Amino acid sequence: KAGVTQTPRYLIKTRGQQVTLSCSPISGHRSVSWYQQTPGQGLQFLFEYFSETQRNKGNFPGRFSGRQFSNSRSEMNVSTLELGDSALYLCASSLAGPNQDTQYFGPGTRLTVL
Amino acid sequence: KNQVEQSPQSLIILEGKNCTLQCNYTVSPFSNLRWYKQDTGRGPVSLTIMTFSENTKSNGRYTATLDADTKQSSLHITASQLSDSASYICVVSAGNTDKLIFGTGTRLQVFP
Repeated sequence: KAGVTQTPRYLIKTRGQQVTLSCSPISGHRSVSWYQQTPGQGLQFLFEYFSETQRNKGNFPGRFSGRQFSNSRSEMNVSTLELGDSALYLCASSLAGPNQDTQYFGPGTRLTVL
Repeated sequence: KNQVEQSPQSLIILEGKNCTLQCNYTVSPFSNLRWYKQDTGRGPVSLTIMTFSENTKSNGRYTATLDADTKQSSLHITASQLSDSASYICVVSAGNTDKLIFGTGTRLQVFP
């Protein structure tokens, strides 16, 4: 069974640009969550999608948005990039939700904003 | 405020030794507590999940304990191996928000 995949693995952008990250969950998983990980803050919850609907949202500005498609694949978009957005972005999938069962994480997308 | 604190921040041990990592939380209501292992450059991998009624759970050389009264958990690693070098993250699930609260992790380095 294939694991969670994320593309691209590495990305370099400049301030003011926008970026789209992609996540393909494990087959059959309907919940996809996104996290930002930085050395100082640890893992911070961005949002969770279930069956194409955003079910939960963390405390991030509106520049961070996401969506989920009918095949459960998810994308995350960050507009007007800031230096502080440099981080490892992780997505995780589960059958019913992060609180209900085990989450499986992807390898992450390392975003560097110059 | 729901918080998860881990100690120590970093730890260095010799191969073959045991070690214990700590996690204190102030999450209410409590749903479950998880320990994750994260190798450098990779996503976290689940080690254990414990609910309120469970006070010990093992996964190979990893044993997690939970004291729901004192709101403390520990992760004990037995006979450490070089491959145990990683960050260990404690995560607590808040029952009323369906959200996970993450600790900042303990960075473990195992040297030969």
